[in-house]
Amino acid sequence: EPEVTQTPSHQVTQMGQEVILRCVPISNHLYFYWYRQILGQKVEFLVSFYNNEISEKSEIFDDQFSVERPDGSNFTLKIRSTKLEDSAMYFCASSPMDGELFFGEGSRLTVL
Amino acid sequence: GENVEQHPSTLSVQEGDSAVIKCTYSDSASNYFPWYKQELGKRPQLIIDIRSNVGEKKDQRIAVTLNKTAKHFSLHITETQPEDSAVYFCAASRSNYQLIWGAGTKLIIKP
Repeated sequence: EPEVTQTPSHQVTQMGQEVILRCVPISNHLYFYWYRQILGQKVEFLVSFYNNEISEKSEIFDDQFSVERPDGSNFTLKIRSTKLEDSAMYFCASSPMDGELFFGEGSRLTVL
Repeated sequence: GENVEQHPSTLSVQEGDSAVIKCTYSDSASNYFPWYKQELGKRPQLIIDIRSNVGEKKDQRIAVTLNKTAKHFSLHITETQPEDSAVYFCAASRSNYQLIWGAGTKLIIKP
């Protein structure tokens, strides 16, 4: 069964450093998303991406964040200058036209 | 914007009994309501979803009901088993773009 894959599974970084989280969505899906989940809290929407552009973003997704689809398979989330409060699990998801989200295993980001 | 409230935050039931988790939403234009199960340290997994043109949907021991007038929807799990223990999230969306999630319910199944 096809899956969304994410790398790295865990990244530890120093405050102020740039981080890139990578995702390979399911190949025939059209919509791509990033969500984050701070430990013990609910899942929060960051951004959605369709037709090679951002379609929606939340208040969390400020100028420190950016997304790219550099080639036909990868979908990346970049955090330019990490803050302590960016520590969370970041989930990539993709969906076909019918709206069901398929999540990756997540990338745990720890900012020290 | 959309706001999703979920109750209770923790639910403890005896194995074999039923569990009900309730959510309300604020955006009357929301038309898609999935429920996700998340085990500790794992990704959320879709267990059932319902669209606004349907009032109820059932899949074996799991059912979801939707009341559009009252803007609430509920997850029902019957004959609960130990493997049902997890955190359950409801969500609502009016597009393919953004799911707004509830705060989660920790379901504990007591043997």
